Amino acid sequence: DSGVTQTPKHLITATGQRVTLRCSPRSGDLSVYWYQQSLDQGLQFLIQYYNGEERAKGNILERFSAQQFPDLHSELNLSSLELGDSALYFCASQLNLNTEAFFGQGTRLTVV
Amino acid sequence: GESVGLHLPTLSVQEGDNSIINCAYSNSASDYFIWYKQESGKGPQFIIDIRSNMDKRQGQRVTVLLNKTVKHLSLQIAATQPGDSAVYFCHNNAGNMLTFGGGTRLMVKP
Repeated sequence: DSGVTQTPKHLITATGQRVTLRCSPRSGDLSVYWYQQSLDQGLQFLIQYYNGEERAKGNILERFSAQQFPDLHSELNLSSLELGDSALYFCASQLNLNTEAFFGQGTRLTVV
Repeated sequence: GESVGLHLPTLSVQEGDNSIINCAYSNSASDYFIWYKQESGKGPQFIIDIRSNMDKRQGQRVTVLLNKTVKHLSLQIAATQPGDSAVYFCHNNAGNMLTFGGGTRLMVKP
């Protein structure tokens, strides 16, 4: 158990819909990262939050947004879903840049 | 390397043989390096790390080698087992945790 909790584990939804993925970081970790992983691909960085503020952005679509709340949990919102958004979405938390990151077990999103 | 979004290269080894997975990095400011293992359908997990003041670090059946001169990192797995089948990612701390290496898929043949 990494200490990072992601919910839900699985999500099936229709095109055009909107979903929210949730991540609770390890206790004490201020940084939260979101990644998208399509089948047989590497981890695509989406966005990073640090102590409630956006720190860095990757190739995140405008249809996607995220936030980190005062209790440090984070949510990733995906809207106007397309078939190509089907993927595993991982959250990771980290104490600082000189320590390992801990990953959640991911949310598998299937858009039909 | 540090590119992302690519289809993964694959290394196929016989069970019991040693495996070597390589990774190149570009930022000479990197001073902390990590290898992660990702099994199918699971999140990446920490395997071993190394700081730039070292050139070798050993764990249980795994060894990480760091060559700062050519900016190269390698992961050696001794006596590879079926349970080692996974995708292996390297990461360094330069800049930010923005990207991982594209990853290498290790397949272990019985």
